Formats: sequence, C-alpha cells, structure tokens
Amino acid sequence: DTGVSQNPRHKITKRGQNVTFRCDPISEHNRLYWYRQTLGQGPEFLTYFQNEAQLEKSRLLSDRFSAERPKGSFSTLEIQRTEQGDSAMYLCASSIHRGGYTFGSGTRLTVV
Amino acid sequence: GESVGLHLPTLSVQEGDNSIINCAYSNSASDYFIWYKQESGKGPQFIIDIRSNMDKRQGQRVTVLLNKTVKHLSLQIAATQPGDSAVYFCAENSQTSYDKVIFGPGTSLSVIP
Repeated sequence: DTGVSQNPRHKITKRGQNVTFRCDPISEHNRLYWYRQTLGQGPEFLTYFQNEAQLEKSRLLSDRFSAERPKGSFSTLEIQRTEQGDSAMYLCASSIHRGGYTFGSGTRLTVV
Repeated sequence: GESVGLHLPTLSVQEGDNSIINCAYSNSASDYFIWYKQESGKGPQFIIDIRSNMDKRQGQRVTVLLNKTVKHLSLQIAATQPGDSAVYFCAENSQTSYDKVIFGPGTSLSVIP
C-alpha cells in the first residue's frame, strides 16, 4: 500500500493521560517528520528522523514529548501527561529528498 | 527570524476563473519553496516546487512565480475547478535548515460554481 499511514485517526483523552501515535512512512523513504497543526495554522515542525537517527527536535517538543523510529521504518510519537494545549492534528510525513514530503492524514488529538 | 506568511487568508473565485494565491517570506537564506494543498481532514499534498535559481515553474494548471527581490511567491491556478477548494500553504526551506520545511498560515480558496 502506498502513502503514509497514521494511526489512530482520532484520539480523545483525558488531561494527564499518556497517548501514543504511530506513523508508517512510505517504505523507501529514509526521512520521517512529525509536525503539529492547530486550526487555521500551518503545520509546525516537531522533529525529524533520518533512518533511525533523530537529527533535529523543535523547542516545541517539550520533555513530555518523545519520538522514536527504532528500526528506521515506522515511528511513534508519545505525549506524556497530556494538557489541553496539546490538542491538535499531529501530522507525519516522509521523503526521500529535500522538501518532497508525502504527508499522512494525521491523528487528531483532543484533550478533555 | 524565519517566517513565511500569506497576504490573504481567504479567497473566493468563480469556477473557470484563474486564482492567484500570494505568499511573502522573510528568510533571505531560503532557496527552495513548495506549495501544498490541504483538503479538509487530510494532510497537506505537494503541488509544485521551485528553487531560487528559477523565477517561474509550470505544472498542470498551476504556475509558481518567485520574486526574490521582494521575497514574494505566488501560485496561479488556471481554470479553477470546485475540486481546487482547499487551504493552500506556501512553505520554505533553506540550506541552513535543510531538512525542515517551514509553513505559512495558509489561504483558504473557495470556488463558486
């Protein structure tokens, strides 16, 4: 199956709970990105992997956020002790070259 | 600091007319620009890109123009169709942030049948 797959599509959680999202990139893409998007805004960069190495993290990624890409294939983004301000669409993208991202459909997180 | 922004947050056009979506950027180090289209409930979709050594690039029904002098980028959509209704983002990338694309806030395009 082609395309970037993200699961779950929607997640509703209570404040203080931990959540984990999964991203399956296009198989031949070695670069994987996480972005966060709030309503009416453009996506904001969170972090980037090249293969299994996490090469850059935004200052938006507080210590409650952690991302992994253990075997250079799928990636997970975990948010611990969720806050209402974490409510957003979390987008994953992959690429094989500069800027040529393919995005998934995102995981919409609602913290209540 | 770096920023990419749009002149108009919303744009309404008649079906069949041409659409022009504008974008301003402030990072003079930006050398690669991309336009994305985002439909409701979906992730952004790549439309067209342009490198700073060009001032115009054409795709199927779309043209991107780059004016480095005034740090301005535009996306032209010919013969706009209802399926073009979406939010359009310009995004920039530079050699100093090679693997990080920075998005502007977006323009919502509505096509009137």
